Amino acid sequence: QVQLVQSGTEVKQPGASVKVSCKASGYTFTAYHMHWVRQAPGQGLQWMGCINLNSGDTFYAQSLQGRVTMTRDTSITTGYMDLSSLMSDDTAVYYCAMEVGGGQWLDWGRGTLITVSS
Amino acid sequence: QAVVTQEPSVTVSPGGTVTLTCASSTGAVTSTSYSNWFQQKPGQAPRTLIYQTTNRHSWTPARFSGSLLGGKATLTLSDVQPEDEAEYFCLLHYGNAWVFGGGAKVTVL
Repeated sequence: QVQLVQSGTEVKQPGASVKVSCKASGYTFTAYHMHWVRQAPGQGLQWMGCINLNSGDTFYAQSLQGRVTMTRDTSITTGYMDLSSLMSDDTAVYYCAMEVGGGQWLDWGRGTLITVSS
Repeated sequence: QAVVTQEPSVTVSPGGTVTLTCASSTGAVTSTSYSNWFQQKPGQAPRTLIYQTTNRHSWTPARFSGSLLGGKATLTLSDVQPEDEAEYFCLLHYGNAWVFGGGAKVTVL
C-alpha cells in the first residue's frame, strides 16, 4: 500500500529554518519526482519545487529561490524540504506529493503545519 | 511567472453537470501543459483526480472528466453528487515549473 508520511507540526520563530520530512512507502522510490506544495490558511495551493528522486536534480519556484532546499535519502525512501529565513507569511500547511514523470501526479501526504510566530 | 486562472465559485444542483475551466496567462493550454486536477475538501489534503489532461486515476469516479476546450483545460463533473462539494484546483506545467490555479469552489445545492 502506497503511503506518504510527513513529519509533525512545528512552531518556529521568524528568521529560523525548518526541515519537513516525507517518508514514502510502497513505491519504487527512485522512479518518482517528489513535489512540495504549501497552503497558507484560507488560501490556495502554491507549488514550491520538486526533486528527481533518482538523480537528485531539483527545480524550485522562483519566489523561493535561495530559501528552499529539497533533498532525499534513498536508503530510507524519505524526501526533505528545508526552508530558511522564515517569515510570518511562511505559515502554512506543507504537503509532499509524488509524480511519476510526464505530468502524472499521484498521491499526497497529509500535510505538515508550520507556524511562524514570535 | 505565469498566472493560471479558474472561476472562483460555481453552484450546481444534484444530478446536474458543471464544467470548470483553467486558463493560462501565457496563451493556450495544450497537451504539453500536462494539466492535472485536484479535489480538496475542508481539512483534508488534496487528491489527484485527473492527470495529463484527460486521464483518470483508479480512484477517480467516472463522472469526472478532463479535456481541452477553447485553449483552456476543463474539468467536467457529470451527475453531480453531494459529496462532490469541494474546492477544485488545476495545475499546469511550464518548463521546469508548475503553477496552480486559484481554485474553484463547487457548491452542490
